[in-house]
Amino acid sequence: DVVLTQSPLSLPVTLGQPASISCRSSQSLVYSDGITYLTWFQQRPGQSPRRLIYKVSNRDSGVPDRFSGSGSGTDFTLKISRVEAEDVGVYYCMQGTRWPLTFGQGTRLEIK
Amino acid sequence: EVQLLESGGALVQPGGSLRLSCVASGFTFNNYAMGWVRQAPGKGLEWVSDISGNGGNTFYADSVRGRFTISRDNSKNTLYLQMNSLRVEDTAVYYCAKEAGPGSYGHLEYWGQGTLVTVSS
Repeated sequence: DVVLTQSPLSLPVTLGQPASISCRSSQSLVYSDGITYLTWFQQRPGQSPRRLIYKVSNRDSGVPDRFSGSGSGTDFTLKISRVEAEDVGVYYCMQGTRWPLTFGQGTRLEIK
Repeated sequence: EVQLLESGGALVQPGGSLRLSCVASGFTFNNYAMGWVRQAPGKGLEWVSDISGNGGNTFYADSVRGRFTISRDNSKNTLYLQMNSLRVEDTAVYYCAKEAGPGSYGHLEYWGQGTLVTVSS
């Protein structure tokens, strides 16, 4: 199975400051069609997960542009340019390139 | 607006069975694959199963293969998860999620609110 390793697991951030979460894969996530199926989700306290970013860097509708995704191959990053209070929660990366679908352990973002 | 409404979660004894349902609205159900993802209390997300838009292809995590069965009734816009031989470690909130196309997997673009399954004696 593809193992996704996120870091850090806990991320205290001051309001208005940037934040960055890493997701490293045990295997390349490039599919045979040339597309990389790496997705980022946000789970706010008490809520269901919400997709933020798909195919590495595509933002979902309604997602603020302070969120961005980047990376390639086995190394990916989710960045928040300026953290706001509503960004508190747990962030997960997920790969959809190989069965079984797998998630990272999650990174808990909190306000310092 | 896409809506996914899960139901069927309950307290069940180890070895018991349960069927979860997920009623979908706001999109043409049979045009999209669907999936189930679970989250044990205080833990991360674990993919469970996916099914193609026409129900002809199914996929399972090793942890549930042979015990769980995913299915769908496109005439009722409903996704199911039949869970048999339940174990304590199956205790979790179960989410259904919409994929991006009939045979497109690993996108999980919309999620329901979840239903809690507790396996305990």
